[in-house]
Amino acid sequence: NAGVTQTPKFRILKIGQSMTLQCTQDMNHNYMYWYRQDPGMGLKLIYYSVGAGITDKGEVPNGYNVSRSTTEDFPLRLELAAPSQTSVYFCASSLGQGGQPQHFGDGTRLSIL
Amino acid sequence: AQRVTQPEKLLSVFKGAPVELKCNYSYSGSPELFWYVQYSRQRLQLLLRHISRESIKGFTADLNKGETSFHLKKPFAQEEDSAMYYCALRLLPNTNAGKSTFGDGTTLTVKP
Repeated sequence: NAGVTQTPKFRILKIGQSMTLQCTQDMNHNYMYWYRQDPGMGLKLIYYSVGAGITDKGEVPNGYNVSRSTTEDFPLRLELAAPSQTSVYFCASSLGQGGQPQHFGDGTRLSIL
Repeated sequence: AQRVTQPEKLLSVFKGAPVELKCNYSYSGSPELFWYVQYSRQRLQLLLRHISRESIKGFTADLNKGETSFHLKKPFAQEEDSAMYYCALRLLPNTNAGKSTFGDGTTLTVKP
């Protein structure tokens, strides 16, 4: 039972490069989320999706884009990487009903140099 | 806007001692509160949720709406409890997409 799978686990980018962080879940969850976690801080919501074809901005969306073409996949795109985007990125999914927790991936540690 | 505060970044106790990880929240509606835990080299995972009123691994947490708190407690800490703990407030899914606000986390160290 894979749950939420994120790839890659680690990546180093140069300033100005772009990349896509992959996230897929096999639990048929409608809701999916992308968070970033900076050192010593909690998780900040970047983007979220309530179903295929529906996405919306979270708390810190600038510099990122997402798409949700299928229920399973929710990739996060970084365009023109900047040092401020150095962080650990977590993808999560959940059912839509109340009281349901979020299920997290292992995270992607991204460094922008 | 909702807010979750975990006042202690670091908490250290001896094995067998009681432990309490504090969590305070601010939200005008009816919240759903969760505690998540991240053990070393593992992914973030659910520890417990307020609606279940359950005890997981000896931990309990009571939602106190008057004090807007959801403190996590365990009467006798074990070394395997050493981990990072996050308190989270989740908005109702049907109107707010189940978005969660997380505290900054508390690193618990249980010493032998």
